[in-house]
Amino acid sequence: DGGITQSPKYLFRKEGQNVTLSCEQNLNHDAMYWYRQDPGQGLRLIYYSQIVNDFQKGDIAEGYSVSREKKESFPLTVTSAQKNPTAFYLCASSIRTDTYYGYTFGSGTRLTVV
Amino acid sequence: SQQGEEDPQALSIQEGENATMNCSYKTSINNLQWYRQNSGRGLVHLILIRSNEREKHSGRLRVTLDTSKKSSSLLITASRAADTASYFCATDSNSGYALNFGKGTSLLVTP
Repeated sequence: DGGITQSPKYLFRKEGQNVTLSCEQNLNHDAMYWYRQDPGQGLRLIYYSQIVNDFQKGDIAEGYSVSREKKESFPLTVTSAQKNPTAFYLCASSIRTDTYYGYTFGSGTRLTVV
Repeated sequence: SQQGEEDPQALSIQEGENATMNCSYKTSINNLQWYRQNSGRGLVHLILIRSNEREKHSGRLRVTLDTSKKSSSLLITASRAADTASYFCATDSNSGYALNFGKGTSLLVTP
């Protein structure tokens, strides 16, 4: 079955550590996205990528970094510069970025700072 | 950035009743989408309505769009306990590069 896989499901980070969240899709989608969701809040866009080796900052990119070396993969690194990283992180993909297509979401990674 | 706002924030109904959620947005759009999220899970795409459409149906879902009022509604008919979830509207930005999501409506359907 085609889909989008996020790992790990739960992640704990110590103060000052960088951590990387994995996102892999086998849908042959060009576009991929990272969103952050805080309790009772909507989704806020961190980064998105339209094609391989290209990505753009979203509304809350500070303290995060991404790469898009392969079409299938769009990992997100939460750096120590992100002061409040505890949140639910969602990765999504779509055929293209012209938003006439629905997004397919992964199951999310819950990151907690300990 | 532009963001849809859902109303109400929370809705509690009994099985068999209809559930109506509303979404308002601020600037012109190309399309509007509705998503569902079960607790602790990713979002699932429900339906997309284009700016030149006024109404769309999919099974028990009915979506309307009023571009003059910059608002949309999602109606779930004959609700079931399994419909319990959060529902989000999403709009494209002027650049059209990524969707902007509202804060969602939390729907509870009790047996």
